[in-house]
Amino acid sequence: DQQVKQNSPSLSVQEGRISILNCDYTNSMFDYFLWYKKYPAEGPTFLISISSIKDKNEDGRFTVFLNKSAKHLSLHIVPSQPGDSAVYFCAASGEGNKLVFGAGTILRVKS
Amino acid sequence: NAGVMQNPRHLVRRRGQEARLRCSPMKGHSHVYWYRQLPEEGLKFMVYLQKENIIDESGMPKERFSAEFPKEGPSILRIQQVVRGDSAAYFCASSPLHAGNTGELFFGEGSRLTVL
Repeated sequence: DQQVKQNSPSLSVQEGRISILNCDYTNSMFDYFLWYKKYPAEGPTFLISISSIKDKNEDGRFTVFLNKSAKHLSLHIVPSQPGDSAVYFCAASGEGNKLVFGAGTILRVKS
Repeated sequence: NAGVMQNPRHLVRRRGQEARLRCSPMKGHSHVYWYRQLPEEGLKFMVYLQKENIIDESGMPKERFSAEFPKEGPSILRIQQVVRGDSAAYFCASSPLHAGNTGELFFGEGSRLTVL
């Protein structure tokens, strides 16, 4: 039962261009949606989040959009930098702060 | 302020042995979560604990796996009689008493278990 899905296993983007990572969910009871970034051999680190009552949250080069009717969210990174190359996990928060994660998308930013 | 500390970072066990993974949450955090990441997969929730209490263990396999978070000391994830399928990265995360319901968790660097 995959409540959070990231259908693109990988994405390759040229430096300076926009990276768009997508995520779909099935549970309408989720309160918050979060994006985590993970480098190899390290733990995930929090990137940005959005409340279910909002449709956009921006933090520097990172913007998350939430479309509740479509149960879809996306992370935009602009401009993309080589240091952004990592695995990006979409996660949703429900009861007890328990996070449900997607399978991740590998982002490669080419210089 | 140290982050979430996990040890060991790498652990090798033979089939049938026991594995113990430890996690010290961030200072001031009283909620601990354990996640498992199998190769090529995302993070799967295992268990959520507060001091001396298991709050949610819905993601824990019914046999061989146990977790605790004692009043003093780190949280421990224990896997008895390990099998090759237990080989994975095990991540611990913590959150403060009142995380504001944002759901943000702070992760450790993980413990990588290899079962030979």
